[in-house]
Amino acid sequence: ELKVEQNPLFLSMQEGKNYTIYCNYSTTSDRLYWYRQDPGKSLESLFVLLSNGAVKQEGRLMASLDTKARLSTLHITAAVHDLSATYFCAVAATAAYDKIIFGKGTRLHILP
Amino acid sequence: DTAVSQTPKYLVTQMGNDKSIKCEQNLGHDTMYWYKQDSKKFLKIMFSYNNKELIINETVPNRFSPKSPDKAHLNLHINSLELGDSAVYFCASSQGSGYGYTFGSGTRLTVV
Repeated sequence: ELKVEQNPLFLSMQEGKNYTIYCNYSTTSDRLYWYRQDPGKSLESLFVLLSNGAVKQEGRLMASLDTKARLSTLHITAAVHDLSATYFCAVAATAAYDKIIFGKGTRLHILP
Repeated sequence: DTAVSQTPKYLVTQMGNDKSIKCEQNLGHDTMYWYKQDSKKFLKIMFSYNNKELIINETVPNRFSPKSPDKAHLNLHINSLELGDSAVYFCASSQGSGYGYTFGSGTRLTVV
């Protein structure tokens, strides 16, 4: 059964700093997704990573996928307060691409 | 024009009642989902329909019954509500694993 683990689960950091959120998963997959959720809001799609070595960047966020290590990272560069949110990674179970399993989320709090 | 819309946004009801949540998407996607987000923000897939056909049915009490009258709609009916059913329920749709999901705004269900 596919399991998705994120760490850290909670991160408090200063503006201007860099940090990385890690997402490990337990079985083979080449479909990985990152979402952002603000308090009381829905989930917003950030990145869709579809192959080994995929790297995508949007503003201060960059996501990468290493399917051999079963690892994705979400890197935050020069954090700003507006990036405070909960970030989820999710992985598609290869046998049933229509089913994606979410990690527990990383609650990111950026101090001004 | 909302892509995935859920109603109601908030639902407060007593134990033992029966309630429904409605979901509609205007994106032309073939697949729709129900996810439950608990108080710890953990997201768990409940059901998935592809073009009105049930394709994923996770270990969910049979008090929960999804219904898809057409591929643009997926409703969730819950019988004999229990305190533990309190959560946020998200509807989502997808056009395929290469694109990720589009989520609705969620329905916060509180059972008292």
